[in-house]
Amino acid sequence: GAVVSQHPSWVICKSGTSVKIECRSLDFQATTMFWYRQFPKQSLMLMATSNEGSKATYEQGVEKDKFLINHASLTLSTLTVTSAHPEDSSFYICSPRDPGQGEAFFGQGTRLTVV
Amino acid sequence: GQNIDQPTEMTATEGAIVQINCTYQTSGFNGLFWYQQHAGEAPTFLSYNVLDGLEEKGRFSSFLSRSKGYSYLLLKELQMKDSASYLCAVRGNAGKSTFGDGTTLTVKP
Repeated sequence: GAVVSQHPSWVICKSGTSVKIECRSLDFQATTMFWYRQFPKQSLMLMATSNEGSKATYEQGVEKDKFLINHASLTLSTLTVTSAHPEDSSFYICSPRDPGQGEAFFGQGTRLTVV
Repeated sequence: GQNIDQPTEMTATEGAIVQINCTYQTSGFNGLFWYQQHAGEAPTFLSYNVLDGLEEKGRFSSFLSRSKGYSYLLLKELQMKDSASYLCAVRGNAGKSTFGDGTTLTVKP
């Protein structure tokens, strides 16, 4: 199956700082990457869809200037949480659009804690 | 839009069989997924159904009825390690998936 590497797996940062999360597809070309956020005891909520070489599309209610997405190559998509606040503390997970049919893969997830 | 419903919690005994139901209402349908998620970890893929019927994979089976907007995940010979959250997700248009809130399964000895 496809291998997706997400880094870092956890990060603690101070309020007001920015954090970059990387998601790499190791054995296939991901033209599209989905970014999800999961708060404790809640399900995954799609934040945005990044497309290689073009602007990301954001779901309703997600601030595009706060959650910067870059998808500069077919193997790397990044999510930067800018000016982080404690309410941004969450589990962020990437998932490439599946190259075939019938399966979906996720990165390992990034646990962000803003203090 | 998408609306997905699944029970919040279930409890079962080791060695038993448990069925987790999922109903959905969607504006587009390109398959239904089941995932397992342990606390603090990313989801892992369990099954995918796009046509009506039962898909079996070892101890896990998944069923889909598109006309009824209904699916279930069947877990047999339950083991303690099966204690986890089980997420039902429907893939709609453009490859986007909408997730249910998950069912927390507790397996007791």
